[in-house]
Amino acid sequence: DAGVIQSPRHEVTEMGQEVTLRCKPISGHNSLFWYRQTMMRGLELLIYFNNNVPIDDSGMPEDRFSAKMPNASFSTLKIQPSEPRDSAVYFCASSLAYSSGANVLTFGAGSRLTVL
Amino acid sequence: GNSVTQMEGPVTLSEEAFLTINCTYTATGYPSLFWYVQYPGEGLQLLLKATKADDKGSNKGFEATYRKETTSFHLEKGSVQVSDSAVYFCALSASTGFQKLVFGTGTRLLVSP
Repeated sequence: DAGVIQSPRHEVTEMGQEVTLRCKPISGHNSLFWYRQTMMRGLELLIYFNNNVPIDDSGMPEDRFSAKMPNASFSTLKIQPSEPRDSAVYFCASSLAYSSGANVLTFGAGSRLTVL
Repeated sequence: GNSVTQMEGPVTLSEEAFLTINCTYTATGYPSLFWYVQYPGEGLQLLLKATKADDKGSNKGFEATYRKETTSFHLEKGSVQVSDSAVYFCALSASTGFQKLVFGTGTRLLVSP
């Protein structure tokens, strides 16, 4: 398996532009997570899906952020309009969630976003 | 709510030194506990895990024991290598309901030759 695949790996854009980050989870995994990592705030959970349904989006910073999972093999995180404070590394992770027991996440390599 | 507290970094060691990175947690019930590692420019990778009290997780010479009485899951390695330089994250997963992971702030380890 190729693992969790994220694109783009690097994105540089100007303030006010729309940014779309993409994620392909591991085949067979039923849960997908979007995290944001910055030096100041560490690793923050933005949103997670189970069976393509958003379960908890309380970590989404504001209405400028939106995430979708139209099918089991694809998810997007969109920022519109982008601001310099959105600069961060965005990680996608997937897992096979059980009703009980350890929930092991597999992370993608991340998308580094720079908003000028 | 559930939370994880890790020691501040960076931890700086010489090669072959003994490593301890402290991690304590707050949670209801019996969470599962994890250590993830992040190498430069990469995503997080699972290093080891433990799912119940007194379990010991181990991998690549690293170990951590789930101590419920002290709510701790300290990471140890007897002899570190330069290649172990990375950021280490402690995390927990709740024992009931949908188990999203709660991460600590991470501890950077720097190993010099």
